[in-house]
Amino acid sequence: DTGVSQNPRHKITKRGQNVTFRCDPISEHNRLYWYRQTLGQGPEFLTYFQNEAQLEKSRLLSDRFSAERPKGSFSTLEIQRTEQGDSAMYLCASSPPMETQYFGPGTRLLVL
Amino acid sequence: GDSVTQMEGPVTLSEEAFLTINCTYTATGYPSLFWYVQYPGEGLQLLLKATKADDKGSNKGFEATYRKETTSFHLEKGSVQVSDSAVYFCALSDPSGGSNYKLTFGKGTLLTVNP
Repeated sequence: DTGVSQNPRHKITKRGQNVTFRCDPISEHNRLYWYRQTLGQGPEFLTYFQNEAQLEKSRLLSDRFSAERPKGSFSTLEIQRTEQGDSAMYLCASSPPMETQYFGPGTRLLVL
Repeated sequence: GDSVTQMEGPVTLSEEAFLTINCTYTATGYPSLFWYVQYPGEGLQLLLKATKADDKGSNKGFEATYRKETTSFHLEKGSVQVSDSAVYFCALSDPSGGSNYKLTFGKGTLLTVNP
């Protein structure tokens, strides 16, 4: 069991550019979550997948954000036309049904 | 909506001191409660959890009891070590609003333990 992995670990981009993050969950975990954590705050829920279906999106997830989980395995989170307010740590978590969520190390995004 | 309020930090203690970090919650249903820990430069790790009233979660000397009457889940440890220095997050998962089991977190409490 290798745990949840996320890539890249760090990303610096210029305002207006697009970025994409990847999350590889623990194998056979059918649930996958994305959260965002800003400095001094707790993580906030962004979106949730059960297998390949995206079942819930937070109001925090503006139209510039899109997430996918093709084939119910890894997931990607894309941010288009990044803004400085998008700077944060993006966390991915996975779990079996109705069980504890296990978090990856996160991707830290800095938008200049 | 659901919310978690936890003790403002930072908290600074000497080694072997007693630790309490307060956490209270608001939820519409019957949530599960969690404490996660984030060590410097690392991701969130589950520390302990409780799924129903009066349950006590425990791990690595830390304990927390699910108190429905006071809507609380305070974290305690009898004797802290320098290696316990980290940010601690209280969180809840409330399935009453759907089946997604998303986590709602508090703001976190930074604990520093000095030798």
